[in-house]
Amino acid sequence: EDKVVQSPLSLVVHEGDTVTLNCSYEVTNFRSLLWYKQEKKAPTFLFMLTSSGIEKKSGRLSSILDKKELSSILNITATQTGDSAIYLCAVQKETSGSRLTFGEGTQLTVNP
Amino acid sequence: NAGVMQNPRHLVRRRGQEARLRCSPMKGHSHVYWYRQLPEEGLKFMVYLQKENIIDESGMPKERFSAEFPKEGPSILRIQQVVRGDSAAYFCASSPALSTDTQYFGPGTRLTVL
Repeated sequence: EDKVVQSPLSLVVHEGDTVTLNCSYEVTNFRSLLWYKQEKKAPTFLFMLTSSGIEKKSGRLSSILDKKELSSILNITATQTGDSAIYLCAVQKETSGSRLTFGEGTQLTVNP
Repeated sequence: NAGVMQNPRHLVRRRGQEARLRCSPMKGHSHVYWYRQLPEEGLKFMVYLQKENIIDESGMPKERFSAEFPKEGPSILRIQQVVRGDSAAYFCASSPALSTDTQYFGPGTRLTVL
């Protein structure tokens, strides 16, 4: 059975800290890994990663995929209170009609 | 370009009633996915549809749940004879013509069954 595991499940930091969120997966026919940010509404797309070792960056957020280790990390530097959210990791397979398999999410709280 | 739209945002039903959840994909998107998020759990895939076709319904409960995406109009997720365990947030996502493109999510419908 396909599996996506995120760690930690929750994290509390102070504004200005740097955080690293982890995602590991066990799927056959892996195609891509996606990160989403979920506040009180729709999961918002952050990154899609398909190639190992290539960092994707958007402002203070960055992410990288390691296909050898079957994992990805999401880094957030100089955190702000607005970064408080649940961060979701999902994987997509070559087969199975592109459904996403999600991890449980990491609840990040950034305190002022 | 409007995002994925879902309505209603909140729906309250009594046990045994029917719930109808609607999803309008982003303009130009022809692939729709439904996911369910139970309290304290991650998002779980339910069904994947293209216009007039169900492509993958392997995540749908076998009974009481059905989905459609007609030629005209929104996609509908229908739950008949709701039970308390159906209380959850139901999210719809859409992607463009290529099914392996990024999926963009709607704001969800929070269903509460009394």
